[in-house]
Amino acid sequence: RKEVEQDPGPFNVPEGATVAFNCTYSNSASQSFFWYRQDCRKEPKLLMSVYSSGNEDGRFTAQLNRASQYISLLIRDSKLSDSATYLCVVNIRNSGYALNFGKGTSLLVTP
Amino acid sequence: GAGVSQSPSNKVTEKGKDVELRCDPISGHTALYWYRQSLGQGLEFLIYFQGNSAPDKSGLPSDRFSAERTGGSVSTLTIQRTQQEDSAVYLCASSLVGQGSNEQFFGPGTRLTVL
Repeated sequence: RKEVEQDPGPFNVPEGATVAFNCTYSNSASQSFFWYRQDCRKEPKLLMSVYSSGNEDGRFTAQLNRASQYISLLIRDSKLSDSATYLCVVNIRNSGYALNFGKGTSLLVTP
Repeated sequence: GAGVSQSPSNKVTEKGKDVELRCDPISGHTALYWYRQSLGQGLEFLIYFQGNSAPDKSGLPSDRFSAERTGGSVSTLTIQRTQQEDSAVYLCASSLVGQGSNEQFFGPGTRLTVL
């Protein structure tokens, strides 16, 4: 079983819509959680870290449920420029170890 | 400032040849990571450096893969006797210190094609 699982999508939504992505992770020792964004044929870039208390950055809200080992990302008022693949990422220990990436959820925002 | 750079950006090689991929991390970043991304797959961890030492090599898929880092900066990933299944995008990332909570900055990757 893969350590980080995401619905691959694609999610096709109109501009202005609200869309939510979910992710589950299998290792209860996971310590750090992130959402990265990857545009087509580009490198991943950090979108936001995810904290237990939940956090918001503009139109983006991330939530973490440690008991259920579940992470979510909510995008409000979708823009065309939000079209990308969103990667759920987990780090097992806060000791510089590797990031475990989900395969990503593809989002296409249409006019 | 300059980000993570990788070279070459594309590499086409024949099965059985050796290849070297280079990564220049962000200046001052002590931690360096190699990942690969195969078509339709998520990023797969290969190896992690803290300074010049590699405390975690657990992701290297076989003994044909090796990596080194010199001067706490540039890293080279070497693949010997390449196979078609080695075809992928090889991504390098660096972070300020070896802490999982620190953001990893990725380079643009080297797209390797083994014919």
